[in-house]
Amino acid sequence: AQSVTQPDIHITVSEGASLELRCNYSYGATPYLFWYVQSPGQGLQLLLKYFSGDTLVQGIKGFEAEFKRSQSSFNLRKPSVHWSDAAEYFCAVGSYSGGGADGLTFGKGTHLIIQP
Amino acid sequence: EPEVTQTPSHQVTQMGQEVILRCVPISNHLYFYWYRQILGQKVEFLVSFYNNEISEKSEIFDDQFSVERPDGSNFTLKIRSTKLEDSAMYFCASPGRTSGGLRTQYFGPGTRLTVL
Repeated sequence: AQSVTQPDIHITVSEGASLELRCNYSYGATPYLFWYVQSPGQGLQLLLKYFSGDTLVQGIKGFEAEFKRSQSSFNLRKPSVHWSDAAEYFCAVGSYSGGGADGLTFGKGTHLIIQP
Repeated sequence: EPEVTQTPSHQVTQMGQEVILRCVPISNHLYFYWYRQILGQKVEFLVSFYNNEISEKSEIFDDQFSVERPDGSNFTLKIRSTKLEDSAMYFCASPGRTSGGLRTQYFGPGTRLTVL
C-alpha cells in the first residue's frame, strides 16, 4: 500500500526567508506526486504535480518541488516566503490504473507559520 | 484552475439522520472522487466513481455511505444514519480537462458536516 510521510507537523519561517517542506512516499511503482495547500476553512488548492520527466517541477505562487527517486522524496521549496503563504500543506501520492486516477493518499500535513 | 462546486457549504444534522452532499465536477466530467477530512487530521479517500459505477473505495466507505449520479452533471454522497464521528469536511474532486488529464484531481471547496 502506498503511504506519505510529512515529518514536520509545524514549521515557522520568517517572512522573506527560504522554505523547504519535506515529503517522503512509499509506493511500488513510479508515483504521481502532488502538493496541495489549504488555507483555514478552505478547500485544497493544487500547487504542483509530478508525473514523469524533469524531476524539478514548478508550480503556482513561486513554489517548486524536486522528485528524488533514490530518497523517495518530493520536497517543496520556495526561495522567499510571504505572509500569505501561511497555511497547511499536504503532500499526496497517486496512481493511475488506466481507467482513471486512483484515490490519492495524503500525508498528515505541515502547518506553516510565517513570522514577521 | 478548473472549478468544482459543492453544496451546501455547511450542513448541520442530528445524529441518526441522513444527509446528502452534492458536487458538480468540472465540465460534466465522468470521474469524481469523494474525500473527507476530520478536523485537524489528514485528508482521506472515500470513493471514486466513473460512469455511474463505483471504481474504487476505501475501508472507510462502508454500507453507511452511497454515491449516485442523479442527473447528468450532479453527483451526490449520501450518509445514512449519521454518527458523531461523521463530523468532518467532505471534499469532492474531479480530474482536469487538460493539465495532467485524468491524473490530476482538483478539489471543491468542501462541505462541512456537523453531527449533533
